[in-house]
Amino acid sequence: AQSVTQLGSHVSVSEGALVLLRCNYSSSVPPYLFWYVQYPNQGLQLLLKYTTGATLVKGINGFEAEFKKSETSFHLTKPSAHMSDAAEYFCAVSDRSGGYNKLIFGAGTRLAVHP
Amino acid sequence: DAGVIQSPRHEVTEMGQEVTLRCKPISGHDYLFWYRQTMMRGLELLIYFNNNVPIDDSGMPEDRFSAKMPNASFSTLKIQPSEPRDSAVYFCASSRQGAGEQFFGPGTRLTVL
Repeated sequence: AQSVTQLGSHVSVSEGALVLLRCNYSSSVPPYLFWYVQYPNQGLQLLLKYTTGATLVKGINGFEAEFKKSETSFHLTKPSAHMSDAAEYFCAVSDRSGGYNKLIFGAGTRLAVHP
Repeated sequence: DAGVIQSPRHEVTEMGQEVTLRCKPISGHDYLFWYRQTMMRGLELLIYFNNNVPIDDSGMPEDRFSAKMPNASFSTLKIQPSEPRDSAVYFCASSRQGAGEQFFGPGTRLTVL
């Protein structure tokens, strides 16, 4: 069965500091992996996705994530945080068992960015 | 592309009343999902459809909840009768077959007094 674990429900960084949001997944078959961002009072917006091919994936707003099969991880990073990055971030997994149609979401990590 | 459209954006109702939430998926998408988000329980999948047919409704909390998709461009989620514990943000999302990624609507914030 698929599952997603996001380590740390709250992360706080200074503006300009590295952002690292952790995600580990469980899947018995090759997964598709996603990061979504949710700004206050909005829906979830896709940041980036990994399906096949290059394991380092670049997304919008300067974010990137690396698929590490040996570690079953898909951590999200950004070299320099901006105040506008404050939001909730969700990691999600989908795999062939569900025809790559159903997403399993992590519990989310709320990112705070302070001056 | 207009994206996923949900209406209303906000709904305030009294306990016992019927509530109907509406969703228009992105044109050409085969799958439609209904989610509920609360502080306590996070993001929960309620039900999803493939080509207008319900595939998995195991997330629907109880018989008070029902969902329909009469055609490819419209779906409803109905709560009858509503209760205060149904207060949440309800999201609709759609996707193409096998693509994995889902596109979310802006949500409907439901408050049941």
